[in-house]
Parts: sequence; structure tokens; C-alpha cells
Amino acid sequence: GQNIDQPTEMTATEGAIVQINCTYQTSGFNGLFWYQQHAGEAPTFLSYNVLDGLEEKGRFSSFLSRSKGYSYLLLKELQMKDSASYLCAVRDSNYQLIWGAGTKLIIKP
Amino acid sequence: KAGVTQTPRYLIKTRGQQVTLSCSPISGHRSVSWYQQTPGQGLQFLFEYFSETQRNKGNFPGRFSGRQFSNSRSEMNVSTLELGDSALYLCASSLVRTGNYEQYFGPGTRLTVT
Repeated sequence: GQNIDQPTEMTATEGAIVQINCTYQTSGFNGLFWYQQHAGEAPTFLSYNVLDGLEEKGRFSSFLSRSKGYSYLLLKELQMKDSASYLCAVRDSNYQLIWGAGTKLIIKP
Repeated sequence: KAGVTQTPRYLIKTRGQQVTLSCSPISGHRSVSWYQQTPGQGLQFLFEYFSETQRNKGNFPGRFSGRQFSNSRSEMNVSTLELGDSALYLCASSLVRTGNYEQYFGPGTRLTVT
């Protein structure tokens, strides 16, 4: 079957750096997405990786290793507004998005 | 550009009833996907429509069905509602299905089955 694993919850301090990992086993691979979802709101797009390596976008970076079935989202200079759930999703060979259960990130002052 | 809209935003139904949810994608977007989200379960894929054709379907019973109209608007229907169908139903649209595209989500419809 297809599976995406992420930690359920993480806690970090304002101003620090946090890395949220995602491992996947899917039928084929056509890209990996990270989304942010604040409580009570819809998910919003953060990043897309289809080739190995690091994609940087401001305070957020996303890394992909296709051979290891692994990705991480790196958040720098954490702010209180970064408290949210972070969802990892992989697009399989049928172009269907398979979603992880999400990682709830709690930022403490 | 207007975002993805979903109606209604909140709905309370009783077991055995049926419900229809509506989604209007961003103008020009042809792909519409539906998801069920429950606490701890993450996003569960229901189905995807592109150009009025169902392209993918998740592992949900036949009580869940959908369709897409020529203007890309989509509806989702759930018949014979069960208590376990209580969830947030999210609709997402994208321009195309392949390549570097992202899905834009609507605010969701919160369905409560009593």
C-alpha cells in the first residue's frame, strides 16, 4: 500500500529552527508537496520538490531525496504565527495526491 | 481572482439522510479534487474530476459520489449518511493535473451527522 509518515507533533521555540521530516512509500513519484494548515482553516501551498535537493523560499526550505523516499521541511527564525499543522503529500504514478496525517507544530515564546 | 468557494459552510444532518456539497473552483481551473478531513486522520482523498470526467477515486464506499459540470463546478453527494461521515469536506482546484501545479483549497464544508 501507499504510506506517508510524519511526526504527529513537534514543539519549538520562537526564533529557533525546526525540521519536519516526511518519509514515503508510494506507487510511483511525480512530486512532493508541503502545505501549511492553521487550525480551522484550509491548507495553503508552501513548496514543491520533484528533483533531489534543497528548494529555498524565504524562511522555509524543503529537501527531497527520491532514493531514500525522504523529505524535510525546514523552518527558520520561527515566529508564533508558524504554529500550524504541516502536511506532506506525494503525487503518485496516477497523479493522485497521497497525504500524510500532518505534523502539528507548537511554537513557544 | 476569486478563490475556491464551497457551499454550504456548515451542515447538520441526521443518519440516513443524503447531502450534496458544492464547489466552485478558481476561474480557469479544470481539475477539482475532494477530500475528507477528520482529526488524526489527515486528508483522505475522495475523488478527482478533470474536464467533467472522474480521473481518480479514493477508497470510499459507493455512498460517496460526485460530478463535474462543463463550467468546472463540482458537486459531491453522500447518501444514507452515517455518524462516521461527520468531517470537514475540502475541495481543491488546480489549473492542470500534471507538472508543477499546486492545489488551492476552499474553506471546506463542516458536516455534522447526528
